[in-house]
Amino acid sequence: SQQGEEDPQALSIQEGENATMNCSYKTSINNLQWYRQNSGRGLVHLILIRSNEREKHSGRLRVTLDTSKKSSSLLITASRAADTASYFCATDAYNTDKLIFGTGTRLQVFP
Amino acid sequence: DTEVTQTPKHLVMGMTNKKSLKCEQHMGHRAMYWYKQKAKKPPELMFVYSYEKLSINESVPSRFSPECPNSSLLNLHLHALQPEDSALYLCASSQVYGTSGYNEQFFGPGTRLTVL
Repeated sequence: SQQGEEDPQALSIQEGENATMNCSYKTSINNLQWYRQNSGRGLVHLILIRSNEREKHSGRLRVTLDTSKKSSSLLITASRAADTASYFCATDAYNTDKLIFGTGTRLQVFP
Repeated sequence: DTEVTQTPKHLVMGMTNKKSLKCEQHMGHRAMYWYKQKAKKPPELMFVYSYEKLSINESVPSRFSPECPNSSLLNLHLHALQPEDSALYLCASSQVYGTSGYNEQFFGPGTRLTVL
């Protein structure tokens, strides 16, 4: 399976703390995306990082990509209770736009 | 309008019923997708439509039948489902499919399907 693995599977933090999630994948990629999913609802696209990029920022989000290690990390700074959700990385295998989602990290932010 | 809508939100059906899930987007996207998601698992791709033509069928059983009547609409026809088909069914769209790098997908809220 091409499916990526994320760790940790679950993460609980207090508001104001930073949350870091890691994603590892198996094949060469064109880009890697991060999505958020609130409980039982659709996914929301957060950020896309291309294979030739190493770091990208969007608001309180910081994503890094290490293609030599086939891994990525998502950092959420100054977390809020509203950040409580599941976070998935998704990769498109080389020469295809088919997205393969990682196993996900369930983040709980306590007020 | 950056929204993908799905109807119904919830669906309960028996194993002999025929029902359909509907998905609509008005962003001018030419690629549309169906995903299946079980509880606490990632979404799994079922079908991809590109320019209203079926591009990918991920070996989905024939009791699931997709249809793309036009560039804005995507249906999933259900017949003779099994209880293990109970899941959240997600529709998504993107600008195009197959351009290797421009595949941000916009997801609908999903249909929660229960098969009795």
